[in-house]
Amino acid sequence: VIWMTQSPSLLSASTGDRVTISCRMSQGISDYLAWYQQKPGKAPELLIYAASTLQSGVPSRFSGSGSGTDFTLTISSLQSEDFATYYCHQYYSFPWTFGQGTKVEIK
Amino acid sequence: EVQLVESGGGLIQPGGSLRLSCAASGFTVSSNYMSWVRQAPGKGLEWVSVIYSGGSTYYADSVEGRFTISRDISKNTLYLQMNSLRAEDTAVYYCARGPPYSSSSVPCWGQGTLVTVSS
Repeated sequence: VIWMTQSPSLLSASTGDRVTISCRMSQGISDYLAWYQQKPGKAPELLIYAASTLQSGVPSRFSGSGSGTDFTLTISSLQSEDFATYYCHQYYSFPWTFGQGTKVEIK
Repeated sequence: EVQLVESGGGLIQPGGSLRLSCAASGFTVSSNYMSWVRQAPGKGLEWVSVIYSGGSTYYADSVEGRFTISRDISKNTLYLQMNSLRAEDTAVYYCARGPPYSSSSVPCWGQGTLVTVSS
């Protein structure tokens, strides 16, 4: 089993801030990592796949980086619609796993 | 338009069975990797199962031996047969296209269907 540590679990920020969310794996997963955004009562939406590929239609303020065991999701300038919960997801080996989630709230 | 619509959730007693359906439109289920993901009330996402385009299936340890993922090509529908249900299976269940993802396939999640296991 690949253990994932996503941090922080809660992030308080203001509109315009640059924010970063980390996801660390217990073993290497190459670039088999995705990032999702979820708003209350809604299904998750894909932001990034293959660690750094921006899903079509997702604003360019979102970016992903990393390979192996350490990954980062960055929002370059936080907008009001970005306040949500974010999850990383490894699909390198079974069982696939999700990070614990990071809630981005208004400071 | 690419779309997934789940159905089949509801209230079920512990030990009971339920079958979830996920009807796809705009793409072919059997040509894609299709997943089930669940979310317990107030909790994070948990991967449940995946079926590859070639038919191979994989499960989370928590559901192995109790849940079965399958698909009906003629109906372009994904299923999750859930047996021996437990209270801890209570969650919103989502079906999803992928992973993996590519520039040529639009990712898609259903709206979710709530399964409540309680006496």
